[in-house]
Amino acid sequence: GAVVSQHPSWVICKSGTSVKIECRSLDFQATTMFWYRQFPKQSLMLMATSNEGSKATYEQGVEKDKFLINHASLTLSTLTVTSAHPEDSSFYICSARSIGSSLAKNIQYFGAGTRLSVL
Amino acid sequence: LAKTTQPISMDSYEGQEVNITCSHNNIATNDYITWYQQFPSQGPRFIIQGYKTKVTNEVASLFIPADRKSSTLSLPRVSLSDTAVYYCLVGDPSRGYNQGGKLIFGQGTELSVKP
Repeated sequence: GAVVSQHPSWVICKSGTSVKIECRSLDFQATTMFWYRQFPKQSLMLMATSNEGSKATYEQGVEKDKFLINHASLTLSTLTVTSAHPEDSSFYICSARSIGSSLAKNIQYFGAGTRLSVL
Repeated sequence: LAKTTQPISMDSYEGQEVNITCSHNNIATNDYITWYQQFPSQGPRFIIQGYKTKVTNEVASLFIPADRKSSTLSLPRVSLSDTAVYYCLVGDPSRGYNQGGKLIFGQGTELSVKP
């Protein structure tokens, strides 16, 4: 099956620093990747859609200068939380959608998530 | 984007069949119905996807009536390890992100399986 690798799985940082999270599709190519965040006991909230070779599209209310997204290749997208503050502490999850040749119906596959704690 | 409605929680016992129904009255012609399972502190895991009638794989079955305004995920003989949150989503994954191609998560159904 399709595997999406997300790294790191857990990160603790000081307030004011920046943190980069990587999302890789290991055995398929993904023209589109998605970034979600999830607070405890809540559902996933879509933050942005990342398209290979172009700028990301952010959902309403998500600061693009705060959450920098880069999708430089068909297998890698990165999310950088800039100048992190305690309120940015959350569970961040990426997903990748296959181009569709080897995987039916362009199913969206998810990474294991990254737990960010900002002190 | 079609909105989905699911029961917030369900309880079951080991060995029972569990059916979780999802309502999606405004589903579009090209939308697929996809179900995911999520354990605490993990990313959602794809369970099954369908368009109409019935789909079955090694872990679940998905029943979709002719009008496609609802769908039912059926988990046969659940075990304690099936305790998780189950999400029903509708969308056309082949579309661009601004044309319904993105998946928007609802509240999901928290399934608790007891011994």
